[in-house]
Amino acid sequence: QSVLTQPPSASGTPGQRVTISCSGSSSNFGSNAVNWYQQLPGTAPKLLIYVNNQRPSGVPDRFSGSKSGTSASLAISGLQSEDEADYYCATWDDSLNGVVFGGGTKLTVL
Amino acid sequence: EVQLLESGGGLVQPGGSLRLSCAASGFTFDHYAMSWVRQAPGKGLEWVSSISGRDGSTYYADSVKGRFTISRDNSKNTLYLQMNSLRAEDTALYYCAKMGWMSVPKNWFELWGQGTLVTVSS
Repeated sequence: QSVLTQPPSASGTPGQRVTISCSGSSSNFGSNAVNWYQQLPGTAPKLLIYVNNQRPSGVPDRFSGSKSGTSASLAISGLQSEDEADYYCATWDDSLNGVVFGGGTKLTVL
Repeated sequence: EVQLLESGGGLVQPGGSLRLSCAASGFTFDHYAMSWVRQAPGKGLEWVSSISGRDGSTYYADSVKGRFTISRDNSKNTLYLQMNSLRAEDTALYYCAKMGWMSVPKNWFELWGQGTLVTVSS
């Protein structure tokens, strides 16, 4: 059971906009930002979004993040086949004094 | 080019020990916190441990506390994970990760290595 809750799966068709949610609690999202990671099949994870809505260099602006209260979301617009991957949210938890991850969401492009 | 290269994985019996290494290059190593994150076969990501850039403050997941020790040698640009009293549930691909700044809390995993596989089995 993960500290952060994500839907196990999501799907969309090419060109569509999809969102992936991530739910936490006051001990993590209450005072900490959310980060998102993308893991393409058979590869290492990659930083996608940091500090709620910041994109590292090289990440397309089709990817965006937001956080409100104890929930966060990742939005992908103009969905492409290469976006098919597992997506993980993560943040710092003040009670656990460590990093917590969501269980991951497998995105399928139909 | 920033690179992280893990090594030291392998097959070990339950109760055994293993030391993982992560050789870093392409950045000022002691300016950044470093971490280990693992992924059991077919499962999600699990944070294991982190260490700050200069003062060496360490943080551990409850699942490994007292059994694993993270350390770094800034003169060799290398991160380590000493794993003792290994259990079957420690079987996973272990990733080394560079964090976004020097301290650990509220940080993120900016760059990941390719991982080294640890299998705990008799």
